[in-house]
Amino acid sequence: AQSVAQPEDQVNVAEGNPLTVKCTYSVSGNPYLFWYVQYPNRGLQFLLKYITGDNLVKGSYGFEAEFNKSQTSFHLKKPSALVSDSALYFCAVRSNNNDMRFGAGTRLTVKP
Amino acid sequence: KAGVTQTPRYLIKTRGQQVTLSCSPISGHRSVSWYQQTPGQGLQFLFEYFSETQRNKGNFPGRFSGRQFSNSRSEMNVSTLELGDSALYLCASSLGTSGNTIYFGEGSWLTVV
Repeated sequence: AQSVAQPEDQVNVAEGNPLTVKCTYSVSGNPYLFWYVQYPNRGLQFLLKYITGDNLVKGSYGFEAEFNKSQTSFHLKKPSALVSDSALYFCAVRSNNNDMRFGAGTRLTVKP
Repeated sequence: KAGVTQTPRYLIKTRGQQVTLSCSPISGHRSVSWYQQTPGQGLQFLFEYFSETQRNKGNFPGRFSGRQFSNSRSEMNVSTLELGDSALYLCASSLGTSGNTIYFGEGSWLTVV
C-alpha cells in the first residue's frame, strides 16, 4: 500500500521569507513523488517531480523539493515567498504502476 | 497543445438521477484517471484507464463506473445520485507509466440536491 502524509493543514509565512511545505510518504518499491498546486476553483497544476537521480528537484515558479530516502520525505521549498504563492498544495506518490495517491493538502498563506 | 478538457464544468442533479462526465485527454496520452475532491475527504482516487482497460480502481461503490474509448477519451458515470456525491470531479491524463506526470483538467462541479 502507498500513502502520503502532509502533517500541516495550514502554513503561514510572510512575503519574502522562505517557505517549506512538508510531505512524508510510504510505498513499497521505488517512489515517484510529485507536488501539485491548486488555486481556487481550478484543477491541480503540476509543480515538480522526483523520479530518480539528484535528490534536489527544481520546478515551476521557483519551487524546489528535496527527496530524502532515509526520512521518506519530499518537502517543498521556496527561498522567497510571494503573495501569489498562496494556494492549496498537494504532495503525491506513485510506485509500481499503482494509482497516484495524494496527501490531504496544505493551505499556504503568504502575507504581505 | 490543448490540455485536459472536461465537460460539463458545472451541473446540478437531483437525488436518484444519474450523471455522465466526459474527459478528453491531452493528445497522445493513453492513460486517464479520475478523482473526487471534497472539502472533507480531499482527493480520492476513483479509477484509472489505460488503452481502454481499467488498470486501477479506488474504493468507491459500484454506482461509480467509467470507461475509456479507443481515442483515449473517457467518461465516468454515477448512478442513483446521493447528496454526498456533490463534489469536484477531476480528470487527469498521462502518457501511461508510473513516472509520468499526470495533468489535470479544470474539473466538473457536481451538485446533488
